Amino acid sequence: EDKVVQSPLSLVVHEGDTVTLNCSYEVTNFRSLLWYKQEKKAPTFLFMLTSSGIEKKSGRLSSILDKKELFSILNITATQTGDSAIYLCAVPGRANSKLTFGKGITLSVRP
Amino acid sequence: NAGVTQTPKFQVLKTGQSMTLQCAQDMNHEYMSWYRQDPGMGLRLIHYSVGAGITDQGEVPNGYNVSRSTTEDFPLRLLSAAPSQTSVYFCAVRAPSYEQYFGPGTRLTVT
Repeated sequence: EDKVVQSPLSLVVHEGDTVTLNCSYEVTNFRSLLWYKQEKKAPTFLFMLTSSGIEKKSGRLSSILDKKELFSILNITATQTGDSAIYLCAVPGRANSKLTFGKGITLSVRP
Repeated sequence: NAGVTQTPKFQVLKTGQSMTLQCAQDMNHEYMSWYRQDPGMGLRLIHYSVGAGITDQGEVPNGYNVSRSTTEDFPLRLLSAAPSQTSVYFCAVRAPSYEQYFGPGTRLTVT
């Protein structure tokens, strides 16, 4: 059965700090790994990673995948209070629609 | 272009009542899913569909039914509501690239 484990489960930092969020996975027939940000409502898509070692970047957020060690990290530099959210990692399984999600990392950024 | 819409946004049911959560998309994608999200449990897949007329069970299907008569609509039925079904429900549409788009969610309380 596909498995996604995220760590830490929660994190409190101060504005300006840099954070690293971890996601490890076990999946048959790996296709991609996806990161989402969830504030008060529905998750919104951040990144999709398919290749090892290639960093995806969007502003202060970046993510990289290691297919050999089966993990991904999401980095946020110069954190702001607006970065406070749950960050979800997911991998598609063998069945077409099945995304397996981790339990999420709750990030709180204090002023 | 509304993307993924869900109705209602909030619902309170008494134990034993039935109801249907509606989900509609205008993205013309084949793959649709229903998730529930509970504190500390992450997103769990209830049912999914790979196209009109085809549905399958996810991780937590008991107490729920789905049907998919059109590409656009994927309703989720609660047959006899139980307090354990109190949750936030998200409908999602998956693009061929595996990027998944979520509806705004339905917050359901069963008393």
